[in-house]
Amino acid sequence: DAMVIQNPRYQVTQFGKPVTLSCSQTLNHNVMYWYQQKSSQAPKLLFHYYDKDFNNEADTPDNFQSRRPNTSFCFLDIRSPGLGDAAMYLCATSIEVSGANVLTFGAGSRLTVL
Amino acid sequence: GQNIDQPTEMTATEGAIVQINCTYQTSGFNGLFWYQQHAGEAPTFLSYNVLDGLEEKGRFSSFLSRSKGYSYLLLKELQMKDSASYLCAPQDSNYQLIWGAGTKLIIKP
Repeated sequence: DAMVIQNPRYQVTQFGKPVTLSCSQTLNHNVMYWYQQKSSQAPKLLFHYYDKDFNNEADTPDNFQSRRPNTSFCFLDIRSPGLGDAAMYLCATSIEVSGANVLTFGAGSRLTVL
Repeated sequence: GQNIDQPTEMTATEGAIVQINCTYQTSGFNGLFWYQQHAGEAPTFLSYNVLDGLEEKGRFSSFLSRSKGYSYLLLKELQMKDSASYLCAPQDSNYQLIWGAGTKLIIKP
């Protein structure tokens, strides 16, 4: 089945220790997104790629970086995680960025910072 | 600014009907989405409205009034598995999704 797969599902790290989260998709979608979601809050868009074009949200901290080496894969790097970065990180894909832009989400990566 | 307003939590009984309201203010408008999110899981797509009126899809229906900046999600014949958060998300003029914090729906037997 075509899908969006995130690894790892659960990540525990220490304060300041870099973390990389991965996302892969078999949908061949043009657009890939990274969202941060804290408990009982709205998902917060960190950045998205349209093909290889990178779009960073204005309020995304520099501590968060991303790479998309090819259509299928996208990575989220958190260079120096702080306690406030503990959250669920959601990867999503869509065919386009306009119109009925339905997002398909991965299962998420839950990050715990000790 | 852009703002989404939906109730934090609602409770309903199995087999009943519930309506979850959402009011929004966005810079431009290009349709509105509803997503369902079970606890600890990712959101899944429920519905999309771009024109005024009611869209029905099985037990779930979604309504939109663009002039009022208002939408609702109607769930019929509630089942225990419908216990989840329901997120309202309009698209602004740049096709950016503006997410609400979601309404947590609790279904009681």
